[in-house]
Amino acid sequence: DSGVTQTPKHLITATGQRVTLRCSPRSGDLSVYWYQQSLDQGLQFLIQYYNGEERAKGNILERFSAQQFPDLHSELNLSSLELGDSALYFCASSRGVGYEQYFGPGTRLTVT
Amino acid sequence: AQTVTQSQPEMSVQEAETVTLSCTYDTSESDYYLFWYKQPPSRQMILVIRQEAYKQQNATENRFSVNFQKAAKSFSLKISDSQLGDAAMYFCAYRRADDMRFGAGTRLTVKP
Repeated sequence: DSGVTQTPKHLITATGQRVTLRCSPRSGDLSVYWYQQSLDQGLQFLIQYYNGEERAKGNILERFSAQQFPDLHSELNLSSLELGDSALYFCASSRGVGYEQYFGPGTRLTVT
Repeated sequence: AQTVTQSQPEMSVQEAETVTLSCTYDTSESDYYLFWYKQPPSRQMILVIRQEAYKQQNATENRFSVNFQKAAKSFSLKISDSQLGDAAMYFCAYRRADDMRFGAGTRLTVKP
């Protein structure tokens, strides 16, 4: 158990809908990262937050947005969902720059 | 841009034998971190080992060790005494400040 929690574990929704994925980092970790992993693919970095502020952006679509709250939990919002958005979405946390990232169990999103 | 290359999409090893997974990366920086992550069928991302670029000594974690060749920009993972539970996807990762990149992964099969 990495100490990073993600909810829900599974999510099935229809095209055009909007969903919110939630992540709670390990105790003491200020950085939160979001990744997307499509079937049999590598990890695509989406976005990073550090202590409530957006720190880095990767290949995140405009339909996707995220935020980190004062209690350091983070939410990833996915809207106008398409079939191609079906993937495993990971959240990871770390103490800060240079520290290793610990991953949550992921949320499996299926768009039908 | 920093890229991480894992040239072996699939590898196979006999139980109790040793296997080496390759990783090369491209960077113009001198200070960075390298990681190997394991992703078993459960899809959980598990940190296996970490190497700081400023350290010449290769990192070791029980049966897992790395061969870090900074000049060659090479970071291979050696798994000794392979066990059935080592079967997984292995991802090499590079981190410099807030930039973290993953390789495409190597799928390791362990034969009994």
